[in-house]
Amino acid sequence: NFMLTQPHSVSESPGKTVTISCTRTSGTIASSYVQWYQQRPGSAPTTVIIEDTLRPSGVPDRFSGSIDSSSNSASLTISGLRTEDEAGYYCQSYDSSNQEVIFGGGTKLTVL
Amino acid sequence: EVQLVESGGGLVQPGGSLRLSCATSGFTFNYFWMTWVRQAPGKGLEWVANIQQDGSDTYYVDSVKGRFTISSDSAKNSLYLQMNSLRAEDTAVYYCARGRGGDDWGYYYMDVWGKGTTVTVSS
Repeated sequence: NFMLTQPHSVSESPGKTVTISCTRTSGTIASSYVQWYQQRPGSAPTTVIIEDTLRPSGVPDRFSGSIDSSSNSASLTISGLRTEDEAGYYCQSYDSSNQEVIFGGGTKLTVL
Repeated sequence: EVQLVESGGGLVQPGGSLRLSCATSGFTFNYFWMTWVRQAPGKGLEWVANIQQDGSDTYYVDSVKGRFTISSDSAKNSLYLQMNSLRAEDTAVYYCARGRGGDDWGYYYMDVWGKGTTVTVSS
């Protein structure tokens, strides 16, 4: 079994760029795709990055995903920050050894 | 348009039972895995259960094994979660989500989510 570790919170100013990390505690980050979900306050999650780097239809290109094998982590980068980006962000992967879906603990992004 | 609409949440006493439903539309239901995810008040997302397209395989987080049962009805394009022996720690918003990938692919994720239904377990 593995876990995904995220920073509890990050903050940045409108118009700037922020990166949220997601570190896999065991096994290799590249062994199963990483996804990212956005959850605005009081709303259901929505999917913003799939399969490490892909944006679902309708997600602005200000959102990008990447993985780094050297740090065994994935990252979500949001450029040109807007106040509407203020939300919780969760990374997610899959443990195929026991067919379990794994979520990171979530990162609260504040845009101020 | 793909839509997932959960129902069946409510207040239930510890030890009680509840059945959640998720009505789907806008896609071919029996082509996709389906998933339940929950979120306790003020906490993060927690995966609860998956079901394969034809209902032949189901998977659960350890904390609900033996108490919860995920099922589906392709004729009604619907997903269900039967929850028995409920505990206070099951209090959460429960989300239905469409899955992509699966065992044969080595990855799994949720691409469309419902708005959720709230379950409160309290005396």
